[in-house]
Amino acid sequence: DVKVTQSSRYLVKRTGEKVFLECVQDMDHENMFWYRQDPGLGLRLIYFSYDVKMKEKGDIPEGYSVSREKKERFSLILESASTNQTSMYLCASKIPGTGSHEQYFGPGTRLTVT
Amino acid sequence: GNSVTQMEGPVTLSEEAFLTINCTYTATGYPSLFWYVQYPGEGLQLLLKATKADDKGSNKGFEATYRKETTSFHLEKGSVQVSDSAVYFCALILTGGGNKLTFGTGTQLKVEL
Repeated sequence: DVKVTQSSRYLVKRTGEKVFLECVQDMDHENMFWYRQDPGLGLRLIYFSYDVKMKEKGDIPEGYSVSREKKERFSLILESASTNQTSMYLCASKIPGTGSHEQYFGPGTRLTVT
Repeated sequence: GNSVTQMEGPVTLSEEAFLTINCTYTATGYPSLFWYVQYPGEGLQLLLKATKADDKGSNKGFEATYRKETTSFHLEKGSVQVSDSAVYFCALILTGGGNKLTFGTGTQLKVEL
């Protein structure tokens, strides 16, 4: 079974802090994704990475950056956390190419910025 | 652009009731369609999918048929259980569109005894 793990289930940070959210997958997937999930808005793509050191902006990249130094690990960085970044953050991975569209999700990190 | 519209929740049903969760889509190309499910405290997992018109995806008693003429992919189950309580997301990806899934807003299902 594919396993996607996220470093924390719950996180509380202060406004202005630098925040790192870590995601690790164990299936050697090239593609990895970061979403945020908000009530009434569904999932929105922040960034994705199609290989090591490769990244592409999603729909809502403002205020976020990412790092992909190793294939199995994809980090989301909030350079200066703000209260409007309070949300559930979900990481996912998939096999690249159009033949397989299934994304495998981690359990999520609920981030509260106070 | 591409978008997915789902019925608003929460949907509350008694055990063994029939379930329908409506999903319609708008796409600039030819999409593949998905239903993902999120159980309490967990991430999303793929429930079923359909990649071309008139395909029926099915899993765990749930079904959805890709209807190109009505641009719909409604989720149905004949007899729900308490364990089906979760949030259900409809999603699409364009054929040849690479990696970008477009999700609906999610529909929460609560099943009571």
